[in-house]
Amino acid sequence: DTAVSQTPKYLVTQMGNDKSIKCEQNLGHDTMYWYKQDSKKFLKIMFSYNNKELIINETVPNRFSPKSPDKAHLNLHINSLELGDSAVYFCASSQGAVVYGYTFGSGTRLTVV
Amino acid sequence: GDSVTQMEGPVTLSEEAFLTINCTYTATGYPSLFWYVQYPGEGLQLLLKATKADDKGSNKGFEATYRKETTSFHLEKGSVQVSDSAVYFCALTSRANQAGTALIFGKGTTLSVSS
Repeated sequence: DTAVSQTPKYLVTQMGNDKSIKCEQNLGHDTMYWYKQDSKKFLKIMFSYNNKELIINETVPNRFSPKSPDKAHLNLHINSLELGDSAVYFCASSQGAVVYGYTFGSGTRLTVV
Repeated sequence: GDSVTQMEGPVTLSEEAFLTINCTYTATGYPSLFWYVQYPGEGLQLLLKATKADDKGSNKGFEATYRKETTSFHLEKGSVQVSDSAVYFCALTSRANQAGTALIFGKGTTLSVSS
């Protein structure tokens, strides 16, 4: 069983569209994250949720909106997609303190054309 | 703010060569330090960690020692294999005991090992 699963794995869409990426974890973790990895492999935190409560909301455009319906799910909705949104988006989860490490999903490669 | 600096890659080695990937950091207080590895097409996996000065993290033949005096956490392996080819990320957090805290990642170092 996949511990942190993201769908879709690949997403190609046109500028101006609205799209969602879904993330589910079956580890029983209480915290989930979204990270963005750019073309140079640089990873940056976007959001984190702990027990469905928003903890981190980094400076990202408000076109990006996370939604956590329950502890096991954290979805990312993106409005009015732009070329610069093209990247790999990683979902991750952790249990309690981050010192125990994250478990990452395999990523969603978003390409905006 | 906190930051991590890794050596630029790619690093290209022959099988059984010795590996060092340098990582230095800037942080307030006493951060916890991590190495993550990303194999092609996959998400990142925790490779090893150290939570206080002079701690040595180790896993799968990889080692890194938390050096507070030089603010470094260099990754080493005595004999690399082709299967070690991946991107390696150094990371830190100054609030390791809090839930939901972000990890600050370095820019990653690509390792390519040939047989």
